[in-house]
Amino acid sequence: SQQGEEDPQALSIQEGENATMNCSYKTSINNLQWYRQNSGRGLVHLILIRSNEREKHSGRLRVTLDTSKKSSSLLITASRAADTASYFCATMADRGSTLGRLYFGRGTQLTVWP
Amino acid sequence: KAGVTQTPRYLIKTRGQQVTLSCSPISGHRSVSWYQQTPGQGLQFLFEYFSETQRNKGNFPGRFSGRQFSNSRSEMNVSTLELGDSALYLCASSPYTGGTGELFFGEGSRLTVL
Repeated sequence: SQQGEEDPQALSIQEGENATMNCSYKTSINNLQWYRQNSGRGLVHLILIRSNEREKHSGRLRVTLDTSKKSSSLLITASRAADTASYFCATMADRGSTLGRLYFGRGTQLTVWP
Repeated sequence: KAGVTQTPRYLIKTRGQQVTLSCSPISGHRSVSWYQQTPGQGLQFLFEYFSETQRNKGNFPGRFSGRQFSNSRSEMNVSTLELGDSALYLCASSPYTGGTGELFFGEGSRLTVL
């Protein structure tokens, strides 16, 4: 499978703490993206990092990418109760018939307690 | 700008029936893709359309079909429904012709097959 795999499957923290989620994938990629999904709703794009980038920031989000290890991490700093959601990494292949198609992992369920 | 709109949001069908789901992309977006989300399989790619042409198709049986109209609106159809087709069907649009950027998702159509 070309899908990414998130780790951990579930994460429970207190408000103000940092949350770190990891993603591993199997094939060479054009880019890797992180999405958030509130229960039963649509996915919201958080951040995209291209294969030639190593780190990217957006507000309280920090994403790293290590293409040699085929892994990425998402760090949410100073978590808030409103960050409670499922977080998915998604990879976009860089060649062939899979170009343009996103492969999603199973997600990390983050719960932030007030 | 209005977001991606999916209709209907909820529907209940019985086995053997067929269903048509509709998606209106963000204005100016010409790429529309569809994903199926289930607890067991996670997010699975169904197909992607660009300028009325199907560019990519996932590993789903022929009962799943789609099309895109000249105004970029898209529909997907599932014929001869099975219990396993119960899922959240998500539509996403993108302004990027190469499919290398972020996707903008709708809220989804939740299909229940009885």
